[in-house]
Amino acid sequence: GNSVTQMEGPVTLSEEAFLTINCTYTATGYPSLFWYVQYPGEGLQLLLKATKADDKGSNKGFEATYRKETTSFHLEKGSVQVSDSAVYFCALLKAAGNKLTFGGGTRVLVKP
Amino acid sequence: GAGVSQSPRYKVAKRGQDVALRCDPISGHVSLFWYQQALGQGPEFLTYFQNEAQLDKSGLPSDRFFAERPEGSVSTLKIQRTQQEDSAVYLCASIGLAGTSRSYNEQFFGPGTRLTVL
Repeated sequence: GNSVTQMEGPVTLSEEAFLTINCTYTATGYPSLFWYVQYPGEGLQLLLKATKADDKGSNKGFEATYRKETTSFHLEKGSVQVSDSAVYFCALLKAAGNKLTFGGGTRVLVKP
Repeated sequence: GAGVSQSPRYKVAKRGQDVALRCDPISGHVSLFWYQQALGQGPEFLTYFQNEAQLDKSGLPSDRFFAERPEGSVSTLKIQRTQQEDSAVYLCASIGLAGTSRSYNEQFFGPGTRLTVL
């Protein structure tokens, strides 16, 4: 079946540090890949997505590239802010049914 | 705003009680999903509706879980004879267009209902 594995947190960083959250997936065919973010007390929000190999998704300074050869979709940001403190979820979507398969989430804490 | 809303936001139930969780999707959204998110875990798919038709209920953990969407808009997730392992956040999401094999439409999530079973 489909699965997503992401690095466990928490990840604690200082403001302006570089952030990487690793995500790898297992799926047949060509899934679409996503990063969702959950800020404290809020619902899940789509952060970025990529629908085919070598696509790069980007939003709010975050980037992730769909690497089919390594089945990965690592999230990166060059300079984090305190407001980036949240839980980040990697997810994949297979064609049929549109149900998302999520990783376990990575909590990120950015300290001033 | 006109986002997905869920009620109640918090629910405490005694073991064995029945509960009903409500989801109001974005107006006009055709597809609706329910997910279960245990503490410290990622959301896991429960069930999926397209309009009023329940097209996939493969994620429902037991026959104590039942979902309906009789008029193709509001949906209710019902859990009968709640158990402690049912404690989780239940998320609802909707998308505007019926999914196809070659397209994706963003799932908009509600804030969730946190269910605690004592």
